[in-house]
Amino acid sequence: GEEVAQTPKHLVRGEGQKAKLYCAPIKGHSYVFWYQQVLKNEFKFLISFQNENVFDETGMPKERFSAKCLPNSPCSLEIQATKLEDSAVYFCASSQYRTEAGNTIYFGEGSWLTVV
Amino acid sequence: SQKIEQNSEALNIQEGKTATLTCNYTNYSPAYLQWYRQDPGRGPVFLLLIRENEKEKRKERLKVTFDTTLKQSLFHITASQPADSATYLCALPTSGGSYIPTFGRGTSLIVHP
Repeated sequence: GEEVAQTPKHLVRGEGQKAKLYCAPIKGHSYVFWYQQVLKNEFKFLISFQNENVFDETGMPKERFSAKCLPNSPCSLEIQATKLEDSAVYFCASSQYRTEAGNTIYFGEGSWLTVV
Repeated sequence: SQKIEQNSEALNIQEGKTATLTCNYTNYSPAYLQWYRQDPGRGPVFLLLIRENEKEKRKERLKVTFDTTLKQSLFHITASQPADSATYLCALPTSGGSYIPTFGRGTSLIVHP
């Protein structure tokens, strides 16, 4: 598609439940990024993929967060045993190129996770 | 990693005036800097990219400057309109050679008719 598609738009989970978010990058884009934005705070980088391979996962809280990008499937971000502080908007973004001279990344509309 | 500072106070200006937003960074000099616009409830939208060897970049009513000595970028919107009201984010590579953008907290711009 011509835009990054994220689902669901809103998700409510009880503390301790699992949450799974999906992202379909723009067709032809090889790189996928996940960011977390808590309230109006800055974006926290979580993980990036080059096709189905993890490229950088330095931002991932690995004990409860996991992510995948499998061929012919939307990418996913899963949070096991959600906590209240996981409440945030999770943005997926994609880009076509990777270059140290600068690359434009295109964001989806975000998935709003509320943990109660 | 890079630390990015943007004015957390909203900038209120009158329609038709030029809005100027500031982005300061504190660590290494990045190869490029980007500006994005974010509307409430939406994802950020890319506006402009300026590279370290460029002092100024323009696109329609937008102008970005990049001063690597001051470690600062200025983002200007000339002849501002109420539709320009949004949060503007600057982004830089997370670290030297990285292609992953780190975002500032953004500055909210409110243009009054």
